Amino acid sequence: EDKVVQSPLSLVVHEGDTVTLNCSYEVTNFRSLLWYKQEKKAPTFLFMLTSSGIEKKSGRLSSILDKKELFSILNITATQTGDSAIYLCAVGAGGTSYGKLTFGQGTILTVHP
Amino acid sequence: GAVVSQHPSWVICKSGTSVKIECRSLDFQATTMFWYRQFPKQSLMLMATSNEGSKATYEQGVEKDKFLINHASLTLSTLTVTSAHPEDSSFYICSAEDSSTPTDTQYFGPGTRLTVL
Repeated sequence: EDKVVQSPLSLVVHEGDTVTLNCSYEVTNFRSLLWYKQEKKAPTFLFMLTSSGIEKKSGRLSSILDKKELFSILNITATQTGDSAIYLCAVGAGGTSYGKLTFGQGTILTVHP
Repeated sequence: GAVVSQHPSWVICKSGTSVKIECRSLDFQATTMFWYRQFPKQSLMLMATSNEGSKATYEQGVEKDKFLINHASLTLSTLTVTSAHPEDSSFYICSAEDSSTPTDTQYFGPGTRLTVL
């Protein structure tokens, strides 16, 4: 059975701090790893990673994948209160249709002013 | 970017009634859509895969007679919660994949908050 584990489950920081969120996975025929941010409603897409060692960046957010060690990290630098959200990691694996994802438990990030 | 809508955004119903939730891809076609359930401060739990023109595929433990899924067109999937009970109260989210460029990137609807009294 495919498995995705995120850590920590929750994190409280102050504005300006840098955070690192972790996602490890055990799946058969890995295809891709995705990060989503969920505030009050729909998860919004952040990154999709398919290749090891290639960092993806978007503003203060960046992510990288290690296919040998089976994990990914999401970094947020200079955090702001608007970064408070649930961050979801999901993995797409072969043998299932595109888009059928296995989600981790999520990391609840709270950024205090 | 790709937009997915859901309707209604929230609904309150009495126990025993049925509720239909619509999921539409607004600017792309989706042969496959997914229905999730989410409890407060928890992750998304996949309920079923909705396939246009064919039967839905349900995850283990999800009652297909209770959660009816119809994917009648390339832009619309519906989830009907039949004979709803208070334990069905939850946040239901759909997602869709752009059929023209198959990848794992899913576009999520805004969700529907269902409360069963």
